Parts: sequence; structure tokens; C-alpha cells
Amino acid sequence: AQTVTQSQPEMSVQEAETVTLSCTYDTSESDYYLFWYKQPPSRQMILVIRQEAYKQQNATENRFSVNFQKAAKSFSLKISDSQLGDAAMYFCAYKGSGNNRKLIWGLGTSLAVNP
Amino acid sequence: GAGVSQSPSNKVTEKGKDVELRCDPISGHTALYWYRQSLGQGLEFLIYFQGNSAPDKSGLPSDRFSAERTGGSVSTLTIQRTQQEDSAVYLCASSPSKRGGTETQYFGPGTRLLVL
Repeated sequence: AQTVTQSQPEMSVQEAETVTLSCTYDTSESDYYLFWYKQPPSRQMILVIRQEAYKQQNATENRFSVNFQKAAKSFSLKISDSQLGDAAMYFCAYKGSGNNRKLIWGLGTSLAVNP
Repeated sequence: GAGVSQSPSNKVTEKGKDVELRCDPISGHTALYWYRQSLGQGLEFLIYFQGNSAPDKSGLPSDRFSAERTGGSVSTLTIQRTQQEDSAVYLCASSPSKRGGTETQYFGPGTRLLVL
């Protein structure tokens, strides 16, 4: 069975600085998708960035980028120029490419942004 | 366009009562998912609907939980004889489920259920 591990329950960063959130996963599949979601106190789960495993190029969305290491089964999220609005829970999630469409989630990392 | 909506936003009930949680997915999305988010735990998959196919109920924790999706759109998650351990945030998501696509799931704001 696939698993997702986020080893950092809490992180903090100074405004305008850069922070990296870690995520590792375990799977025997070769084709799959990885996601980072952000959950602010409003509870709304918001997609931050996604990565297809077959793509070697790391995904980037504005200030958010990932470091996808397929062999190491690592999928870290880098937030550059951190803003106060980035404070939230961040969840890493895995989805296989077969008929099983469910997302498998890590336990999350709580990110605080200090002014 | 409108996102995924869920109602009620919050629900307080007494142990033993039945509750119904509603999810209205994004128009045109064929796939719909229910997840449960308990305090201190990650998100737990409950059930998945895809078009007219039989739902994947493999995540439902007990037979007190059931869900239906009428007309391929709105879904209702029903919890019978609620227990205190059912207290959690129930999240609904939908996706376009395009073949070959990333099938990103878009989430609603959730329903916070508190069983007293």
C-alpha cells in the first residue's frame, strides 16, 4: 500500500525568506501524481502545485516550486519570498494512475510566517 | 465559476442521532470524493463516485456510513446512530476525471461535525 510521510509537523519562516517542506512517499507504481495542498484556517483545501511522475522537470507555480526526486521518492515544496498569507497547513498527497483515484495524504506541516 | 459547495458548514448533534451532509460538486465534474479529517490525523478517504459506475466504498469505516449521488451531481453522506468518534471535518471534492489528465481534485469548505 502507498504511504505518504511528512516528517515536519511544524515549520516557521521569516517573511520574505525561503522555506522547504519535506515529503516522502512509498509506492511500487511507476506512474502516479503528487500534489501539495494548502489548508488555511478557513478549512478550504487549496491546490498549490502538482507533479506528474513521468515528467522529469520540476513543477513551478509562481513562488512555489517542487524538488521531485523519483528514485528517492521525495517530493519537497519550496516557498520563496514567503508572505503572511502563506501561513497554513500544507499537505502532501499521492494519487496512483490506475482505477483507484483516491488521494493518499501525509499528516501535514503547519507553517507559520513571522513578520 | 462556482466551486464545490458543502452544507451545513457546521453541525452539532447528539450521540445516536442520524446526520446528512450535502455536497454540490463543480458543474461538469464526473468524479466526486468524500474524505474525513479528524483532529491530529490526516485525511481519510471514505467513498468515490465516478459517473454511473458503482461507487468505491472501500473507505467507509462502518455500515453506519452511507452515501449516494443523485443524477450524477449532488451527493449526500449519511451517518446513522452517530458516535463521538465520528466528530471530524468531512470534506468533499470533485474532479473532471479526464482520461490521461492529472485529475486534480477540487475541494469544498467542509462540514465540521461535532457529536456530543
